[in-house]
Amino acid sequence: EAQVTQNPRYLITVTGKKLTVTCSQNMNHEYMSWYRQDPGLGLRQIYYSMNVEVTDKGDVPEGYKVSRKEKRNFPLILESPSPNQTSLYFCASSLYGTGQTNTGELFFGEGSRLTVL
Amino acid sequence: AQSVAQPEDQVNVAEGNPLTVKCTYSVSGNPYLFWYVQYPNRGLQFLLKYITGDNLVKGSYGFEAEFNKSQTSFHLKKPSALVSDSALYFCAVRFLRNTGFQKLVFGTGTRLLVSP
Repeated sequence: EAQVTQNPRYLITVTGKKLTVTCSQNMNHEYMSWYRQDPGLGLRQIYYSMNVEVTDKGDVPEGYKVSRKEKRNFPLILESPSPNQTSLYFCASSLYGTGQTNTGELFFGEGSRLTVL
Repeated sequence: AQSVAQPEDQVNVAEGNPLTVKCTYSVSGNPYLFWYVQYPNRGLQFLLKYITGDNLVKGSYGFEAEFNKSQTSFHLKKPSALVSDSALYFCAVRFLRNTGFQKLVFGTGTRLLVSP
């Protein structure tokens, strides 16, 4: 089954304790992206990756890191989490990220709800 | 700047009645527009898209959307609502960065509540 898998789905942590949210897709997609969803703000892009070893900042990258060492995986790293990073996080992927051939349909994971105390 | 607006935080409709969820956009060039749905405790799912052609686009679960260029709108519609349609709906517009890579900008979402 084609899917985007995120782990953990729920996490409560404390300020400053490094954590990683994993994301894996089995569709051989080139493009992957992380979003955070906050009430009244919709989805905001954190980082995206066009392919292996190619990543770039989205709209709200502060406090986050990403890596893309393999095509299927795109982990989100919070080196020193703070309470303002309490949010619902989504990983998404699409076949391509470039040009007019990609009409933009994204496949989303189920979400990871993170609480930072 | 590229943006989408969903003016209603919530839409209430009775089962069997028609529903409309509103979306307006601002984008330079030809817009690529999308609707996504999010059910409770789930990720977003693609519903439908407008790229070019017929202004009325049909999608999943009986939903359709009407593209109106003069009003810069892309409202989501369904002739007869179901209780199971209750969810959070997001409008999105795609544009290409200077690098040539795509970006989807999402609206803030509209919660649809369908009462029995």
